[in-house]
Amino acid sequence: DIVLTQSPATLSLSPGEGATLSCRASQSVSSYLAWYQQKPGQAPRLLIYDASNRATGIPARFSGSGSGTDFTLTISSLEPEDFAVYYCQQRNNWPLTFGQGTRLEIK
Amino acid sequence: QVQLQESGPGLVKPSETLSLTCTVSGGSISSYYWSWIRQPAGKGLEWIGRIYTTGSTNYNPSLKSRVTMSVDTSKNQFSLKLSSVTAADTAMYYCARDPGGTYSLWGQGTLVTVSS
Repeated sequence: DIVLTQSPATLSLSPGEGATLSCRASQSVSSYLAWYQQKPGQAPRLLIYDASNRATGIPARFSGSGSGTDFTLTISSLEPEDFAVYYCQQRNNWPLTFGQGTRLEIK
Repeated sequence: QVQLQESGPGLVKPSETLSLTCTVSGGSISSYYWSWIRQPAGKGLEWIGRIYTTGSTNYNPSLKSRVTMSVDTSKNQFSLKLSSVTAADTAMYYCARDPGGTYSLWGQGTLVTVSS
């Protein structure tokens, strides 16, 4: 299985600051990587698919980059509603796998 | 718009079979893959498997020996059965539409607890 390692585990920032979240794959997943946001008591919400494409309705402050084994989710200026857990997920190899998550918390 | 709703028992005894159904409303179940994903409390997400509307399936090898998925296109539903459950199978179970391994449409999730 492809292991996705997310860093940091927890990121403490203030509203208005920028955030950079990392996802590293144990082998190449090409560009087949997605990012999700999950808030307590809710299902995950797709933010980015295929490394850099914003899903429908996702604000422009969310952007994704990377290919191969190293990927980044960038939030340009944090809004209060952005504090949540973020997961990456690959669809290049079976079984589909998720990272362990990065918790973005208010500083 | 299309919505997904999971249903099934919230409590299952150890060694028994967990059975869940996902009902698709507001659109047809046809011509998509449909997946099950689970999440133990406070932990990450695990892909269980997926089924196409023809009945073709792909399962996570870690669960393959215990998982059976089925689809009923006449009811716009698909189902998950997980046999020989243990406490490690306690989790929130989500169904999701799978247009190619990226999940933009999820159910709200249903909590299944394995306990005697």
